[in-house]
Amino acid sequence: KNQVEQSPQSLIILEGKNCTLQCNYTVSPFSNLRWYKQDTGRGPVSLTIMTFSENTKSNGRYTATLDADTKQSSLHITASQLSDSASYICVVSLASGGSYIPTFGRGTSLIVHP
Amino acid sequence: NAGVTQTPKFQVLKTGQSMTLQCAQDMNHEYMSWYRQDPGMGLRLIHYSVGAGITDQGEVPNGYNVSRSTTEDFPLRLLSAAPSQTSVYFCASSYYDRGNEAFFGQGTRLTVV
Repeated sequence: KNQVEQSPQSLIILEGKNCTLQCNYTVSPFSNLRWYKQDTGRGPVSLTIMTFSENTKSNGRYTATLDADTKQSSLHITASQLSDSASYICVVSLASGGSYIPTFGRGTSLIVHP
Repeated sequence: NAGVTQTPKFQVLKTGQSMTLQCAQDMNHEYMSWYRQDPGMGLRLIHYSVGAGITDQGEVPNGYNVSRSTTEDFPLRLLSAAPSQTSVYFCASSYYDRGNEAFFGQGTRLTVV
């Protein structure tokens, strides 16, 4: 069964600190992986997409990495801000031959304290 | 550009009542979907549509109906509300291709008492 597991489930850090969120998947055949940010009371918004051939991609203070061999991705947040408090969701899509429906992780809840 | 619009934002229903959650998008996306989000469970797919006139079931379809008469609209109907359907509901749309960015509505918080 295609699965996406995220860790930790929740994380509390101080403003200005860095943190790393993890996403492990068993989805196959793999096409791409997206990270979404979901602010409280809002719908998720895409942060970045990683395809099979990409190892690292940055979006401001957010840097996503992908290791397709070990089927792991991480989202690193640098110099955290209060506005980074949100849920971060990992979503994996299948390649040709598989379902078009993406597989969602349960998310990591990040709280940034001043 | 409005994106994905969901109405209502909040709703309280009594057990056994029916209602329709509205979802409209103005991006000409083929793919639309409904999710429910419960604490600790993440987003779970209820129903989806790959175009007007075409719908299919997702992971948790029981108790919900959908139809897609136009590209823009994808309403979700609760036939006979139950307390287990208390949740936050999100509608999303995207171009129908693998890994395309999904655009989500603001969500509908539904409470069934």
